[in-house]
Amino acid sequence: TQLLEQSPQFLSIQEGENLTVYCNSSSVFSSLQWYRQEPGEGPVLLVTVVTGGEVKKLKRLTFQFGDARKDSSLHITAAQPGDTGLYLCAGAWDYGGSQGNLIFGKGTKLSVKP
Amino acid sequence: KAGVTQTPRYLIKTRGQQVTLSCSPISGHRSVSWYQQTPGQGLQFLFEYFSETQRNKGNFPGRFSGRQFSNSRSEMNVSTLELGDSALYLCASSSFGTGPYEQYFGPGTRLTVT
Repeated sequence: TQLLEQSPQFLSIQEGENLTVYCNSSSVFSSLQWYRQEPGEGPVLLVTVVTGGEVKKLKRLTFQFGDARKDSSLHITAAQPGDTGLYLCAGAWDYGGSQGNLIFGKGTKLSVKP
Repeated sequence: KAGVTQTPRYLIKTRGQQVTLSCSPISGHRSVSWYQQTPGQGLQFLFEYFSETQRNKGNFPGRFSGRQFSNSRSEMNVSTLELGDSALYLCASSSFGTGPYEQYFGPGTRLTVT
């Protein structure tokens, strides 16, 4: 059973378009992280959200944590080819705890064509 | 601050052989986790070490083992390699403080078993 569902699995868009990636669970998380991974490299931490309803912005990327802390979304405005990569969300059950309480989604593979 | 480093970056082995992968965490981080990443399964947790002790273990056979040294550097070993062990092996380090749990990944070791 996949405890953290990401959708869509694949997304191919043109440069300049907007997109939203979703991360959903039936579990409540104490925090949730978003990572971006490029082929052959390790995931890079983009942001951590902690409070229900929290919104964080990183240039053209907007991250939101659901009010109930069970879901999150990543919105990219005016996507660029450099945004291409695998986007992973990871939920932690234990604030400041151990890896044993961290779960990863399978990721959304984004391709932005020039 | 230097990031997580992993060696080697690429490795080709034959079925039945064994392999040792190395990981140096971010300075000051005492927790090291290992993951296996494949296209079909995504990121799967192998094990986590903290202060030289294994704190958590994923659902992998006993052929996969690890250890952590007093300087927090970690190694993982896979014995009797199988074709299905071909994957990107990722190491991540974490610190424990007052903030939410976050992991920082290395670039990975690409293992190919022939």
